[in-house]
Amino acid sequence: ETGVTQSPTHLIKTRGQQVTLRCSSQSGHNTVSWYQQALGQGPQFIFQYYREEENGRGNFPPRFSGLQFPNYSSELNVNALELDDSALYLCASSAKDGSSGNTIYFGEGSWLTVV
Amino acid sequence: AQSVTQLGSHVSVSEGALVLLRCNYSSSVPPYLFWYVQYPNQGLQLLLKYTTGATLVKGINGFEAEFKKSETSFHLTKPSAHMSDAAEYFCAVTPGNYGQNFVFGPGTRLSVLP
Repeated sequence: ETGVTQSPTHLIKTRGQQVTLRCSSQSGHNTVSWYQQALGQGPQFIFQYYREEENGRGNFPPRFSGLQFPNYSSELNVNALELDDSALYLCASSAKDGSSGNTIYFGEGSWLTVV
Repeated sequence: AQSVTQLGSHVSVSEGALVLLRCNYSSSVPPYLFWYVQYPNQGLQLLLKYTTGATLVKGINGFEAEFKKSETSFHLTKPSAHMSDAAEYFCAVTPGNYGQNFVFGPGTRLSVLP
């Protein structure tokens, strides 16, 4: 058990719609990041939040946005969905104080299918 | 910029045989290196990590990896494969700080034959 839970586990959306994916991290894990894993590929870094502020972003457009809350939960929002957004979205968390040795713990992911 | 290469998208071994999964990286700063395993329809589970210190790192389930700076490699090995080892394996690198912007390799699918 990693202590990172994600919801929903599967969902189907139509092109152009908006989606919100949720993640709950371990208590004390003040850093959360999101990854997109397309079928047959490695995870790609979307962005990272630390103490409720974005402090790192990968090569993803602004329609990918996020929120982090004081209770160690977070959201990934994707607007104007495109077919290529179909993927497994992974949430990961860690303690930025280094107690985890920079280890990140992943949730089981949310499978998004855009039709 | 950092990048990770995993040689062989699919590796097959017989049960009881040596497992060797290759990982090479590029990094402009001293890296932290990780191996994660992903079972079907699941998230990523940490196998082992190298941050500093001893270059031979032991992980869970009998896996180990050796950091070779001169070869920019971090290959994963296990002396004897089990059927339960069949999964997707990802090598990842991150700068030696507390960021979470991991760069993952494309993955290697390990099949274990009876």
